[in-house]
Amino acid sequence: SQQGEEDPQALSIQEGENATMNCSYKTSINNLQWYRQNSGRGLVHLILIRSNEREKHSGRLRVTLDTSKKSSSLLITASRAADTASYFCATDYGNNRLAFGKGNQVVVIP
Amino acid sequence: DAGVIQSPRHEVTEMGQEVTLRCKPISGHNSLFWYRQTMMRGLELLIYFNNNVPIDDSGMPEDRFSAKMPNASFSTLKIQPSEPRDSAVYFCASSPIYLRGEIQETQYFGPGTRLLVL
Repeated sequence: SQQGEEDPQALSIQEGENATMNCSYKTSINNLQWYRQNSGRGLVHLILIRSNEREKHSGRLRVTLDTSKKSSSLLITASRAADTASYFCATDYGNNRLAFGKGNQVVVIP
Repeated sequence: DAGVIQSPRHEVTEMGQEVTLRCKPISGHNSLFWYRQTMMRGLELLIYFNNNVPIDDSGMPEDRFSAKMPNASFSTLKIQPSEPRDSAVYFCASSPIYLRGEIQETQYFGPGTRLLVL
């Protein structure tokens, strides 16, 4: 099956709460990336974590990578209504090719 | 920079017709990717180019699909003849191979073309 597979669940949270979503993959990767897609729009790159990194931060985003478990998580802290979107993880298996998961829909209620 | 530009944004056509989707990558980007997104299959890589050369077209579903990149600033994805199961959102993305001496793996997506084949 496709690499980069998020837990297939929609997440509905209140503004200000944290949102966590997970992603698993099956084979060795160069890096793992998270993208956001607002309704009717293209994907926007959020953060990239390399295979030799365990944790990375960018603003309110925190991503972790566990290569032994072949999994990653994305945490959005202090969520805002504008964070409402679908979030995709993508695994880079070489030569700049990405395999995307099915996406996790997050709804932040104001 | 204007970002990746795709046209048309929406296309409605009848089965059997030829469809041509267009993409202008970000200036200076060396790699270009075509993806298809559907609810059932998610985001699938169809084909990608490096320096205008097709590198991997294994994701192209059938011979009805073809893609070209005649120069660094333009690519097309053509479906001929189109079928209802081709209905999807088609994204083009581009990426610089190197930026400030470092390999870049981030992809920049266009807004997509929403295709409906009746």
